[in-house]
Amino acid sequence: AQTVTQSQPEMSVQEAETVTLSCTYDTSESDYYLFWYKQPPSRQMILVIRQEAYKQQNATENRFSVNFQKAAKSFSLKISDSQLGDAAMYFCAYRLIQGAQKLVFGQGTRLTINP
Amino acid sequence: DSGVTQTPKHLITATGQRVTLRCSPRSGDLSVYWYQQSLDQGLQFLIQYYNGEERAKGNILERFSAQQFPDLHSELNLSSLELGDSALYFCASSVTGGLYTDTQYFGPGTRLTVL
Repeated sequence: AQTVTQSQPEMSVQEAETVTLSCTYDTSESDYYLFWYKQPPSRQMILVIRQEAYKQQNATENRFSVNFQKAAKSFSLKISDSQLGDAAMYFCAYRLIQGAQKLVFGQGTRLTINP
Repeated sequence: DSGVTQTPKHLITATGQRVTLRCSPRSGDLSVYWYQQSLDQGLQFLIQYYNGEERAKGNILERFSAQQFPDLHSELNLSSLELGDSALYFCASSVTGGLYTDTQYFGPGTRLTVL
């Protein structure tokens, strides 16, 4: 069974600084997707970034980028120039490309932005 | 706004009761997913429907059932409610539920409190 682990329950960063959230996963599959979702206090789940496992290039979305290390089964999220609106729970998630389409989530990391 | 709507936003009921949660997917999306977010279990996949047919089942209790109607909206029925069923229930939708670039977009959730 696939599992996703986020080892940092909480993180904090100064506004305008850079922070990296960690995620590791366990799978025997070779084709899959990885995601980072953000859950602000409103509780809405918002997609931040997506990475296809067959792509070697790391995904980037504006201030958000990932460091995808397939052999190490590691998928970290880097947030540059942190803003107060980035404060939220961040969930790492895994999904097979074919077959079961369910998202498997990690436990989440609560990110606090200090002004 | 993801385009996925869920009603009601909040639901308070008593143990032993039955409730129905409703979800309308994004326009054009054929697949609907239900997830449960609780403090002790985290975010867990419950069930997926694609164009009216059940596609995949996760950790869904026998007391829970779901369906997707011809207009593609979905309902999650929870019966014989227990205190432990208190959680945030998310609906997500995607275009096909199976193709490579499918991304799941989440609704705002229904918060269920069982007293």
